[in-house]
Amino acid sequence: DQQVKQNSPSLSVQEGRISILNCDYTNSMFDYFLWYKKYPAEGPTFLISISSIKDKNEDGRFTVFLNKSAKHLSLHIVPSQPGDSAVYFCAASGTTSGTYKYIFGTGTRLKVLA
Amino acid sequence: DSGVTQTPKHLITATGQRVTLRCSPRSGDLSVYWYQQSLDQGLQFLIQYYNGEERAKGNILERFSAQQFPDLHSELNLSSLELGDSALYFCASSAPYWDNTQYFGPGTRLTVL
Repeated sequence: DQQVKQNSPSLSVQEGRISILNCDYTNSMFDYFLWYKKYPAEGPTFLISISSIKDKNEDGRFTVFLNKSAKHLSLHIVPSQPGDSAVYFCAASGTTSGTYKYIFGTGTRLKVLA
Repeated sequence: DSGVTQTPKHLITATGQRVTLRCSPRSGDLSVYWYQQSLDQGLQFLIQYYNGEERAKGNILERFSAQQFPDLHSELNLSSLELGDSALYFCASSAPYWDNTQYFGPGTRLTVL
């Protein structure tokens, strides 16, 4: 049961354009969402997060949007740079019936073309 | 540098063998998580420890076990290894409650021949 899904395994974008990475979740108990970035041969690193009480969070070139009714979040990177080429994982966390869950999506490989 | 250390960086072993992976969390972090990533797949959550106690369990095989010691470092033990266990194993740590962010180590690449 994949509770957090990233349906696009890969994405190619031209340098300077917008990159949009999508993530869907199925469990409404998730109340905090994060994006991580992973380069080859390195561990994932935290990028940006959003609480379920917000619908948008911005940090420089990175913006995360949350649509709770659709159980969907997206990461926008503007403008995209070649150094952004990496695998991006979304993660969802929350507690239900005393059980804390923290679940990663399968990742989207972003390639920014120079 | 996330502050999370993992040893060894690479491990090559044979089927049927047993290995131990080690993780030291960031200073002050009480939670340790273990993940498996196979062949560019997603991060599969294995197990979480909080201050020495098992907190949550994911898709961890019975051949695998983990523990967190009083100094908060953690070890992941993999036994009766199979070819399919070849993967990257990541450890992550997090601060309690106020920070949902997980800080990942560089990973241990396990190759089972």
